[in-house]
Amino acid sequence: GAVVSQHPSWVICKSGTSVKIECRSLDFQATTMFWYRQFPKQSLMLMATSNEGSKATYEQGVEKDKFLINHASLTLSTLTVTSAHPEDSSFYICSARKGTAGTEAFFGQGTRLTVV
Amino acid sequence: EDQVTQSPEALRLQEGESSSLNCSYTVSGLRGLFWYRQDPGKGPEFLFTLYSAGEEKEKERLKATLTKKESFLHITAPKPEDSATYLCAVQARGQNFVFGPGTRLSVLP
Repeated sequence: GAVVSQHPSWVICKSGTSVKIECRSLDFQATTMFWYRQFPKQSLMLMATSNEGSKATYEQGVEKDKFLINHASLTLSTLTVTSAHPEDSSFYICSARKGTAGTEAFFGQGTRLTVV
Repeated sequence: EDQVTQSPEALRLQEGESSSLNCSYTVSGLRGLFWYRQDPGKGPEFLFTLYSAGEEKEKERLKATLTKKESFLHITAPKPEDSATYLCAVQARGQNFVFGPGTRLSVLP
């Protein structure tokens, strides 16, 4: 149990276009989902936290108009990178937690975004 | 401010050579400490959750322990397939996880 599926696993897009990444909890309902960004050989950088039906809470320095997060149901959250630029190229990872604060979160397999 | 540090940054072991990875944390009101394993190009894989000092958990060659200031991930007789980056994270009063920088483990055959 506790499987999180992230799609796509990789995507290449042209500069100026938008890209949507999906994160689904396959066998549990996720009370909270998290979106991270990871640069090579670095740890995870939290971008935003979202609860189902609520607006996402963005970390300081993360542009909410650029990184649109929608958590429409207890099993699906999406991250849309709008007007992507080469500097947005990165590894994006989602995680989902099924319990309350203090319980573990499970991660998707990540999405490698390359903006050309 | 909640902080997590990990040491060493990188560790190279011979197959069968046991060792420990350290995770030191400073938080207000620890709700949980988590260990994850991450392979290159993949999302982290959950290993353990520890909640209180003195708690220990084991899984195959891995054992995680917790004190009031740090956690150790002991690796007994590692194999090459244990090579990965091991991440430690804490959760305090907020709902977010604070991750450490990770330890890159290489186990040589």
